[in-house]
Amino acid sequence: QVQLVESGGGLVKPGGSLRLSCTASGFIFRDYDMSWIRQAPGKGLEWVSDITSNGFIIHVADSVKGQLIISRDNARNSLYLQMKDLRVEDSAVYYCARHRTYGDYIDNWGQGTLVTVAS
Amino acid sequence: SYVLTQPPSVSVAPGETARITCGGNDVGSKNVHWYQQKPGRAPVLIISYDSDRPSGIPERFSGSNSGNTATLTINRVEGGDEADYYCQVWDSNSDYVFGTGTKVTVL
Repeated sequence: QVQLVESGGGLVKPGGSLRLSCTASGFIFRDYDMSWIRQAPGKGLEWVSDITSNGFIIHVADSVKGQLIISRDNARNSLYLQMKDLRVEDSAVYYCARHRTYGDYIDNWGQGTLVTVAS
Repeated sequence: SYVLTQPPSVSVAPGETARITCGGNDVGSKNVHWYQQKPGRAPVLIISYDSDRPSGIPERFSGSNSGNTATLTINRVEGGDEADYYCQVWDSNSDYVFGTGTKVTVL
């Protein structure tokens, strides 16, 4: 079955950096576009960034442009999110998410990893 | 950027019908998808392409989309339907857009 397992979350000070990872299994990772989606405590879902299956095309939400960088390593079945210059408002659960093939929705989500930005 | 607006909360008695709206400019021309999220859990897709149910989703869940409003309908509501519900579209300018979310409370 499809599994997406995030890791790398934790407590970081404002201005700090963090790298999230998502390890995929149960499907052919290199065939799927992927996204990071976040959810601040008690708030709604916010799409952050996505990357095509081959890694050639990346989209980033305006709210995090220049701050969060998505990447992938298909040989390792892994998706990454490099986060820098973190702010308190970046505190959230970050979900790794798989796009439906030829679709415009998410068909599988990881369990999420919590990032807390606080001094 | 494209905005989807949902009512913050909907309350319904068991066995009754819950309707959750998702408003957006000409949303009827877009594909709307719906997710259910229970506390502490990741979202789960319950409706795709306005009204398609993935396998395993009860027939009690249905969707429609027209004009400026998409609607998720939950018939014969059960206690286990208590959750947050989000609509979502893909927009060429905004990429993946999620609605503001609706908390369904079963009385």
